[in-house]
Amino acid sequence: DVVMTQSPLSLPVTLGQPASISCRSSQSLVYSDGDTYLSWFQQRPGQSPRRLVYKVSNRDSGVPDRFSGSGSGTDFTLKISRVEAEDVGVYYCMQGTHWPPTFGQGTRLEIK
Amino acid sequence: EVQLVESGGGLEKPGGSLRLSCTASGFTFRNVWMSWVRQPPGKGLEWVGRIKTESEGGTTDYVAPVQGRFTISRDDSKNRVYLQMNGLKTEDTAVYYCTKDSEAWGQGTLVTVSS
Repeated sequence: DVVMTQSPLSLPVTLGQPASISCRSSQSLVYSDGDTYLSWFQQRPGQSPRRLVYKVSNRDSGVPDRFSGSGSGTDFTLKISRVEAEDVGVYYCMQGTHWPPTFGQGTRLEIK
Repeated sequence: EVQLVESGGGLEKPGGSLRLSCTASGFTFRNVWMSWVRQPPGKGLEWVGRIKTESEGGTTDYVAPVQGRFTISRDDSKNRVYLQMNGLKTEDTAVYYCTKDSEAWGQGTLVTVSS
């Protein structure tokens, strides 16, 4: 299975400051159709996961534009331009290129 | 609005069986692959399996830890997907989510396997 490695695992951030989460895969996530199936999810305390970004950099409907995804191949990043209180939770990257889909360990974002 | 509602979780003994259901609305169910993902208490997310559309043969795929014990099926007439879990182990204890393309998720149902 493809191993997804996130860093950091804990991310204390001051309100209004930027935040960045890295995700690396053990093999390329470029699919045979040319797309890269790397997604980012947010899981707030006590809630189900919510997809924020799909295919590296496409924001889902209703996701604030302070969230942005980037990267290619095996290295990917989720950035939050200005952290708000509602952003507290755990963030996961997930690859859907290779079966089975696999998630990173999760990054816990907290407010300093 | 897409909605997914899971049911059927509960407490079961090791070696027992449970069947989870997920009822979908807000989209054309028969045209969509459906999946199950689980999350042990306090831990991360793990894909369990998926089922393709009936027009694609309703083919299923599973991750290794559940292969041969879990079965996913679907009833397009009821907009439901099922997860039949047999031979339950304590390590199957988790919240089980159904998901549409990982784009939409249900609220989850808790399965606890304990003697």
